Amino acid sequence: AQSVAQPEDQVNVAEGNPLTVKCTYSVSGNPYLFWYVQYPNRGLQFLLKYITGDNLVKGSYGFEAEFNKSQTSFHLKKPSALVSDSALYFCAVSGYNQGGKLIFGQGTELSVKP
Amino acid sequence: GAGVSQSPSNKVTEKGKDVELRCDPISGHTALYWYRQRLGQGLEFLIYFQGNSAPDKSGLPSDRFSAERTGESVSTLTIQRTQQEDSAVYLCASSPTRRVGTQYFGPGTRLLVL
Repeated sequence: AQSVAQPEDQVNVAEGNPLTVKCTYSVSGNPYLFWYVQYPNRGLQFLLKYITGDNLVKGSYGFEAEFNKSQTSFHLKKPSALVSDSALYFCAVSGYNQGGKLIFGQGTELSVKP
Repeated sequence: GAGVSQSPSNKVTEKGKDVELRCDPISGHTALYWYRQRLGQGLEFLIYFQGNSAPDKSGLPSDRFSAERTGESVSTLTIQRTQQEDSAVYLCASSPTRRVGTQYFGPGTRLLVL
């Protein structure tokens, strides 16, 4: 069965510092991996995805993520955090022949303080 | 262009009543997904439509839940005899491809069952 784990409920970072939001996954076959962000009272916004190719994926708002097959991880990173990055971040996975349906992690609340 | 829209944005109902939630996908998107997000939790997959193929209903939690979609247009999610545990935000997403593609989410319908 497919699953996603986001081991941290909350991540606190000072503005200007690098941030990492962790994600590990379990899926049969090659994974398709996604990061979404949810701002308060708003829907989910797509940040980036890994389907195939380069393990380092760059996305919206300066975020990037690295696919690590051996560690089954897809951590989200940003070199310099902004207060406006504070939001709820979700990692999601889909597997081959799953029709694209996503299995989501529980979410990580990112708080960036000035 | 217009994104995914959902209506109503909020719905309060009494236990035992039926409710109908509506999703208008992005025009031309062949795939449509419904998810449920309970308070403080990640998203749970409910059902997936792809063109005229039979829907994937594997995520529906009980036979009180059903959904329809006509062609590649509007979808409705119906919950019969609502229970308090049905209280959640119901999110709809659409995707332009038959394969694993980026899903674009609507703002959700917040359902409260009293």
